[in-house]
Amino acid sequence: DVKVTQSSRYLVKRTGEKVFLECVQDMDHENMFWYRQDPGLGLRLIYFSYDVKMKEKGDIPEGYSVSREKKERFSLILESASTNQTSMYLCASSTLGGPGVRGYTFGSGTRLTVV
Amino acid sequence: GQNIDQPTEMTATEGAIVQINCTYQTSGFNGLFWYQQHAGEAPTFLSYNVLDGLEEKGRFSSFLSRSKGYSYLLLKELQMKDSASYLCAATISSGSARQLTFGSGTQLTVLP
Repeated sequence: DVKVTQSSRYLVKRTGEKVFLECVQDMDHENMFWYRQDPGLGLRLIYFSYDVKMKEKGDIPEGYSVSREKKERFSLILESASTNQTSMYLCASSTLGGPGVRGYTFGSGTRLTVV
Repeated sequence: GQNIDQPTEMTATEGAIVQINCTYQTSGFNGLFWYQQHAGEAPTFLSYNVLDGLEEKGRFSSFLSRSKGYSYLLLKELQMKDSASYLCAATISSGSARQLTFGSGTQLTVLP
């Protein structure tokens, strides 16, 4: 069964900490995405990558960075965590041609709380 | 810009039929997805429409009108397990990759 795996389901971090959220997919997908999901706001795109070492900003990149050193792994980095980054973070992947007929495959999400 | 609207909440009774509407205004539109998301879980794929018309898949059907920028998800013979958030998402061609732009989701509550 194909999978997108996020390393943590729940994280609690302190304000100012550097936070790493990891995502690994086993489908050989070229495209990978990071979203955050907040009540009433839906899924908002933070960053995406369409190739190793390539990245593009999404709609809300401020306060975040990403790393894609290997095709299967896409990391989201909160340089200095703040309370307004408390959210559910979802990683997704898709083939090079885009979502195709099956859309994205999502990870189970990481619920991050910044205190 | 991109704008996708769907109702925030809906309530229906077990065994009934419910229609969840979605309107979109997006540039570079390719197609329309519906996802189901149970609380605390990842969204899962329900349907994809790229041509106008109705796509039926068991108890779930999805409709698209490209000229009207409108889609709906129809759920028949509702079951308690259908209580979930339903996300409408438009595929757009933007920059170097095709992306999905999501609506805020419709929280459906099925009552006994």
